Formats: sequence, C-alpha cells, structure tokens
Amino acid sequence: TQLLEQSPQFLSIQEGENLTVYCNSSSVFSSLQWYRQEPGEGPVLLVTVVTGGEVKKLKRLTFQFGDARKDSSLHITAAQPGDTGLYLCRGDGGSQGNLIFGKGTKLSVKP
Amino acid sequence: DAGITQSPRHKVTETGTPVTLRCHQTENHRYMYWYRQDPGHGLRLIHYSYGVKDTDKGEVSDGYSVSRSKTEDFLLTLESATSSQTSVYFCAISEGPSIANYGYTFGSGTRLTVV
Repeated sequence: TQLLEQSPQFLSIQEGENLTVYCNSSSVFSSLQWYRQEPGEGPVLLVTVVTGGEVKKLKRLTFQFGDARKDSSLHITAAQPGDTGLYLCRGDGGSQGNLIFGKGTKLSVKP
Repeated sequence: DAGITQSPRHKVTETGTPVTLRCHQTENHRYMYWYRQDPGHGLRLIHYSYGVKDTDKGEVSDGYSVSRSKTEDFLLTLESATSSQTSVYFCAISEGPSIANYGYTFGSGTRLTVV
C-alpha cells in the first residue's frame, strides 16, 4: 500500500507569517489533490496537480508537485486566521482502492 | 441547498446494536464513498460505489456493509456496533474515479459514539 506522509503534523503560527507544509511518498503518484478541512465540516478541495514540476497558485496559496511526482508542497504567504484548519493531501496510486489520504497537517493561525 | 447531506449528524448507540448512516446527493454523481476519520489514522476508505447496486470494499470494510438502491442514496450499516467504530464518518461524491479529472465533494459528517 502506498503511503502519503504529511509534515509537520501540527503547526501554530502568528498572523502574517509564511509557512510550507509537505506531502511526501516513496512511490510515484499520477496526480495529487490538496484539501482543507475546518472543524466540524468535511474537507474541501483546494487544488489538483497532475504534471511533475507543476505549480498552481490560489490567492495566497502556492501548490507544487515534485518533478518525480513523489512529493508536493503547499506554501501560504501572509497567513490569516481564516487559513486555520487541517490540510490533507490525497494521491492517486493508479487504482480505485489506492486513492489514499495523508494524515494531514493541522494549522493554527493566531491573530 | 447542499449537494450532499448526511444523516444523522450525531448519534450515540449501544454496543451490539445495528446502526445505519445515510448519505443523500442531489448532484447525480456516479461515485459515492464512505470514509471514517480518526485521530492518528486520518481518513480511511470503508466502502465505495460506482453505480446503483455496484459497490466495493475499501481499506477498513470489516464490520460494515453498504447499499445503493438509488443513484442519490448510499447507506452505511454497522451490523453490530463496537466501541472501535466510534468515529466521524464522512460521505463523499465524485463524477468519476480519476483524481486528475475529478475531486471529492464531502458531506459534513456524522459523529458516531458507541457506548
């Protein structure tokens, strides 16, 4: 079974700081998604990356898919309290039963 | 209106009783999924459906069964609830199986406590 390791597990920062969270695997993924989950709600899709080396921007969020398609990062610029939540990555290892989630990074942005 | 709703939102049940959770969608998506989310384990796939009466097992299917008699409804049944099944259960829908082309839309979850 392919695994997605997310780091750090927890991150607490002040408003205005920059941060990067990571999603890594020893296996190749054909595509990868990032979700954000707020307390008491289901995850919400942020982005899908498909091509190795791909970079996508969503306002203050920058997503990158590694050249070898084994890792991905999410960078947030000038974090705001509204960015607080659990960030999850989900990878496609090539079969329906191999669509897996990482355990997530829990981000807290304090005013 | 939300495209996907889960019911109930909260439930407390006793060990050994059967429990059924319901997922209802108005998006006419072909694929529906049941996940459980637990601290330290993240989201784990229980069962999924790729059409009416077409279902398959996920990573943690033991003790669970599912049914899909209509496109819009996907039911998850705990045949005899155990304390290890205390969790938050999420339903998700998708137009297709490929991450490259489709994302999940999740429901708001059902918090189940087995006492």
